Amino acid sequence: GDSVTQMEGPVTLSEEAFLTINCTYTATGYPSLFWYVQYPGEGLQLLLKATKADDKGSNKGFEATYRKETTSFHLEKGSVQVSDSAVYFCALSQYSGGGADGLTFGKGTHLIIQP
Amino acid sequence: AAGVIQSPRHLIKEKRETATLKCYPIPRHDTVYWYQQGPGQDPQFLISFYEKMQSDKGSIPDRFSAQQFSDYHSELNMSSLELGDSALYFCASSFREAPGAPGEQYFGPGTRLTVT
Repeated sequence: GDSVTQMEGPVTLSEEAFLTINCTYTATGYPSLFWYVQYPGEGLQLLLKATKADDKGSNKGFEATYRKETTSFHLEKGSVQVSDSAVYFCALSQYSGGGADGLTFGKGTHLIIQP
Repeated sequence: AAGVIQSPRHLIKEKRETATLKCYPIPRHDTVYWYQQGPGQDPQFLISFYEKMQSDKGSIPDRFSAQQFSDYHSELNMSSLELGDSALYFCASSFREAPGAPGEQYFGPGTRLTVT
């Protein structure tokens, strides 16, 4: 079945540091890829997405590029802020047969940004 | 903007009891998804509905059932509760933009179920 693997946390960085959170996937066909963010006590918020190979998703300074050749969707940000502290989930979705398929999530990466 | 509404936000039940969780999707959204997130775990997809019919099924236990009503809200019914059912249950909704393209999933704040 489909699966998503992302780097284990917690990841601790200083403010203004460069961020990379690795994500690789295993899937049949051509899934859509997502990054979701979860702040303490809250639901999941879509951060960015990419629906086909070489697409780049971007939002709030975060970027990720859909790399089919390496089956990866790494999340990057050039300069992190304390407010970016949260848990980040990489996820994929297959739209097989027109059904509303559920998302398959990675284990999540807890990001801690220190002032 | 209106968001996904879930009720109740917190629920405490004893083993072997039943629980019903409710989800009200964003207006005009026609698809609802249910996820279970255990402590420190990633969300696990349970089941989804499109236009009141079951669309996809994930790791939903046989003790659980769900449905989507004519007003598009959905209910997750959980029976014979076990300690391991303690988790955060998320509902998400989306709008099907085209066949095979259900659209982005917007998540609700979740219902925290504690089974004692």
